[in-house]
Amino acid sequence: KQEVTQIPAALSVPEGENLVLNCSFTDSAIYNLQWFRQDPGKGLTSLLLIQSSQREQTSGRLNASLDKSSGRSTLYIAASQPGDSATYLCAVLDSNYQLIWGAGTKLIIKP
Amino acid sequence: NAGVTQTPKFQVLKTGQSMTLQCAQDMNHEYMSWYRQDPGMGLRLIHYSVGAGITDQGEVPNGYNVSRSTTEDFPLRLLSAAPSQTSVYFCASSTGTSGRQFFGPGTRLTVL
Repeated sequence: KQEVTQIPAALSVPEGENLVLNCSFTDSAIYNLQWFRQDPGKGLTSLLLIQSSQREQTSGRLNASLDKSSGRSTLYIAASQPGDSATYLCAVLDSNYQLIWGAGTKLIIKP
Repeated sequence: NAGVTQTPKFQVLKTGQSMTLQCAQDMNHEYMSWYRQDPGMGLRLIHYSVGAGITDQGEVPNGYNVSRSTTEDFPLRLLSAAPSQTSVYFCASSTGTSGRQFFGPGTRLTVL
């Protein structure tokens, strides 16, 4: 059974730092991996989608990588800003076309 | 485009009551799904639909019913509410099962 883990559960860093969020999954048979952002009391916003054949995707200050063989993905945020404070979730689309979710990393950027 | 809309935003029910959570999208997406989000856990799939007239069960379907009479609407029905169904419910849509997912703002449900 596919399981997705995100460590750490919470992270607090000063503004301006570059940071990495981690996502690991147990079964490498995936179609894609997505990173989402969730603000308190709000829905989820898709940030990046990496197909299983891809190694990385970039959008502005965000870069997501995928190493399917080792079951790992990272979300790199450059030059962090207080507006980046949110919970970041990753989800993999498994071999049954089901999205399996991590519990998220709560990120706080201190001004 | 309004994207994915959900109503109501908040709801309090008593045990045994029934209700329908509404979800609509205006992006002509074929794939729609319902999730619940509980503290400290990842989202869990309740039901999904790959097109009008087609629905299927997800990971946690018990106690919930869905129907998909149109491409735009995908309501979720709680048949007899239980305290274990206290959660935040999200509706999502995408162009296909492997496409980028678009989420509604959620419904926060409390069952007393």
